[in-house]
Amino acid sequence: DVKVTQSSRYLVKRTGEKVFLECVQDMDHENMFWYRQDPGLGLRLIYFSYDVKMKEKGDIPEGYSVSREKKERFSLILESASTNQTSMYLCASSPLTGTGGSYEQYFGPGTRLTVT
Amino acid sequence: GESVGLHLPTLSVQEGDNSIINCAYSNSASDYFIWYKQESGKGPQFIIDIRSNMDKRQGQRVTVLLNKTVKHLSLQIAATQPGDSAVYFCAEGEFGNEKLTFGTGTRLTIIP
Repeated sequence: DVKVTQSSRYLVKRTGEKVFLECVQDMDHENMFWYRQDPGLGLRLIYFSYDVKMKEKGDIPEGYSVSREKKERFSLILESASTNQTSMYLCASSPLTGTGGSYEQYFGPGTRLTVT
Repeated sequence: GESVGLHLPTLSVQEGDNSIINCAYSNSASDYFIWYKQESGKGPQFIIDIRSNMDKRQGQRVTVLLNKTVKHLSLQIAATQPGDSAVYFCAEGEFGNEKLTFGTGTRLTIIP
């Protein structure tokens, strides 16, 4: 089974702190994604990466950065946390879709971040 | 407390009845569609998918129907059980475009 793990299930941080959210996948997937999920707003893509050291902005990248130094690991960084970044953060991975084979995204359990 | 936002559509179904959850998608060029289930406090889990060259696909207790004419997708769950209570949402994607576009979801509540 594909496994996507996230470093924390719950996190409480103060305004202005630098926050690191870590995600690891064990299926050798090329793609990795970071989403945030807020009530009634669905999943919104923050950033994604299709290869090591490669990244692309999603729909809401402001206030976030990412790092992918190894294929299995994708980190989301909040440089200076703010209260409007309180949310559920979900990491996902998938193989490249262009071959027409498997394409589903596999999700981690999520990190509920509260910024006070 | 939770922030104020759009309310999720909710479907309440009697245990044992069939459930039908609907989704309107936006991109007529989408190559595939996926249904996810998200239980409280967990990440979304894959349920079933369908490619655009099909109009029906069946799994265990679930069936997905695709109507490309009206860009509509539905998920049917047979003999609904308490464990089916969750938020369900659809996603669409294109081969070669690595991103998925997600719907906002429907909350399914099972009445015992």
